[in-house]
Amino acid sequence: DVKVTQSSRYLVKRTGEKVFLECVQDMDHENMFWYRQDPGLGLRLIYFSYDVKMKEKGDIPEGYSVSREKKERFSLILESASTNQTSMYLCASSFLGADGEAFFGQGTRLTVV
Amino acid sequence: GQQLNQSPQSMFIQEGEDVSMNCTSSSIFNTWLWYKQDPGEGPVLLIALYKAGELTSNGRLTAQFGITRKDSFLNISASIPSDVGIYFCAGQLRFRDTNAGKSTFGDGTTLTVKP
Repeated sequence: DVKVTQSSRYLVKRTGEKVFLECVQDMDHENMFWYRQDPGLGLRLIYFSYDVKMKEKGDIPEGYSVSREKKERFSLILESASTNQTSMYLCASSFLGADGEAFFGQGTRLTVV
Repeated sequence: GQQLNQSPQSMFIQEGEDVSMNCTSSSIFNTWLWYKQDPGEGPVLLIALYKAGELTSNGRLTAQFGITRKDSFLNISASIPSDVGIYFCAGQLRFRDTNAGKSTFGDGTTLTVKP
């Protein structure tokens, strides 16, 4: 069974903290994505990566960075968490070619207080 | 970036009713995807469409790729309580580069089914 696993279902962090969200996939996918989901705003792409050590900005990269040191792992970093980063974060992966179905993790609900 | 307009934003229906939702774009896509997100989970692919005019079914679900390549619809027939969730459309362009596989998502349609 294919799997995308996010390290935490729920996180509560304080304003100004550095936050790491981890995602691991076991499908040997080249592409990995981080999305943010807010009510009424759908899924907004933060960053994506098409290969190890490669990264591309999505639609809302401000306040975030990413790291991809191994093919199966993609980390989202909030350098200094703020309350407006309270949200649901979804990781996904897919094969590099176009027409690729994306497989999603279960999501991390992050609350910044 | 590209924008997708998905409607309706939410639907409240009785069990057994049919459902229809759609997505439109100001520019073309080469692939349309429909996902469903159950409460507390990540989205899961329902149907993928690869050709303009294509009509594809998956059980009680039917989806079509508009001939202009700028729209797609999803129909659910004879709804049941487990159809509850958020439905997302997504469009992809076939780049021959590292952007291949990147999707643009609609804002979602939240479906509530009353028994």
